[in-house]
This record gives sequence, C-alpha cells and structure tokens, in this order.
Amino acid sequence: AQKVTQAQTEISVVEKEDVTLDCVYETRDTTYYLFWYKQPPSGELVFLIRRNSFDEQNEISGRYSWNFQKSTSSFNFTITASQVVDSAVYFCALSGRNTPLVFGKGTRLSVIA
Amino acid sequence: SAVISQKPSRDICQRGTSLTIQCQVDSQVTMMFWYRQQPGQSLTLIATANQGSEATYESGFVIDKFPISRPNLTFSTLTVSNMSPEDSSIYLCSVGGTGPRPNYGYTFGSGTRLTVV
Repeated sequence: AQKVTQAQTEISVVEKEDVTLDCVYETRDTTYYLFWYKQPPSGELVFLIRRNSFDEQNEISGRYSWNFQKSTSSFNFTITASQVVDSAVYFCALSGRNTPLVFGKGTRLSVIA
Repeated sequence: SAVISQKPSRDICQRGTSLTIQCQVDSQVTMMFWYRQQPGQSLTLIATANQGSEATYESGFVIDKFPISRPNLTFSTLTVSNMSPEDSSIYLCSVGGTGPRPNYGYTFGSGTRLTVV
C-alpha cells in the first residue's frame, strides 16, 4: 500500500524566512510519482511539481525548490524568502503509473508579515 | 493540462436529500477521480470513474451512497445521497495521470463545498 507522511501539521514563519516542508513516502512500486500541491484559503488545489521515481534530480523554480532522495524516501519542499502569499496548506502526494493520488495529511503554512 | 468546470461551487442542503455534482472537462480523458475533503482534513479518494464501466469505489464508500455516472469521456457526476451532517465536506473531481511530459500531473476541479443542515 502507498502512504505519504507529512509530520508537520502547522508551521508559522516570519516573512522572508526560509521554510522546508517535509514529506516521507512508502510504496512497493518500482515506478512511482511524487507531487506537491498548494491549497490556498480559497480552496482550489494548485499543482506545483511532479517528480518521477527514476529522476532524482532536484528542481528549483523561483523561490521554490524540491529535494528528492530515494535513499530516505523523502521529497521535501523548500520555500526561500517566504511571502505572505505563500500561506496555504501544502499537500505531498504519491501515485503509481496512472493511478489515483494518495495524499499526505497536509502542512498548514502561515507566513506572518 | 485539462481544464475542469465543476458545479455547483457550494450548496446548503437539508438532511435526507440528495445533491448531484457535475464535472465537465475540456478534453477527453480516460479516468476521472472523485475525492472528499472533510473540514480541516486531507483528500480521500471516493472512487475512480472510467467511461463505459462501473466506477470503482474505495473502502468505506458505497455506490448506494455515492452513485457516479460517466456517460462520455468529458463528463461525470457524483451524487451524494440521503445526506446527513457528516457528509458536509468539499467534493472534488480530478483528471490527469503520469504521462511522459515531465510536469504533467493531476488537475482538480474547483470543488463543491457542501453543507448539510
């Protein structure tokens, strides 16, 4: 069975601080896919990134970066120089090939001005 | 990626009644997924809906309570039947998959915020 653990329920930071959201996953699939989604207070789910199990290259997109480590089954998400607009619930999710997403419980990030 | 139109965006319903939620996709998709997000919780998969076959329900969800239709490759409905206050949640449909493009993922409708009184 697939499982995603986001141990941090809530994080609060002051604007311009860096913050890392942790994600640990479990799967028996040899091919799998990891995702991060943002859910702002308005409620919609915003796709941020997908990472394939066979591609451990880390990714940076502006202030966002992702660190994928198969050795520790982790896919952590870092926001650099956080802003108030980053306040949201962030979900890490896992799927097999074209199978439904399994979500972690989410981390609520509050960025205080 | 696909664009999903989900209706209604919110509703307040009386217990014992039923509500049908619609999702229209702007392109043909093989699989559609329905999720429930209870207040303050994560997303839980209700069922997978493939066109031309019966939906596959996850443990804890039954067809009598959450009947799903999938008449074609761009449309699906989820009905929440005989509602109780415990059904108050956000319901979301999703399409997508793990295609070859590196950032191809799963797209979600904007959600239906249901309150049962």
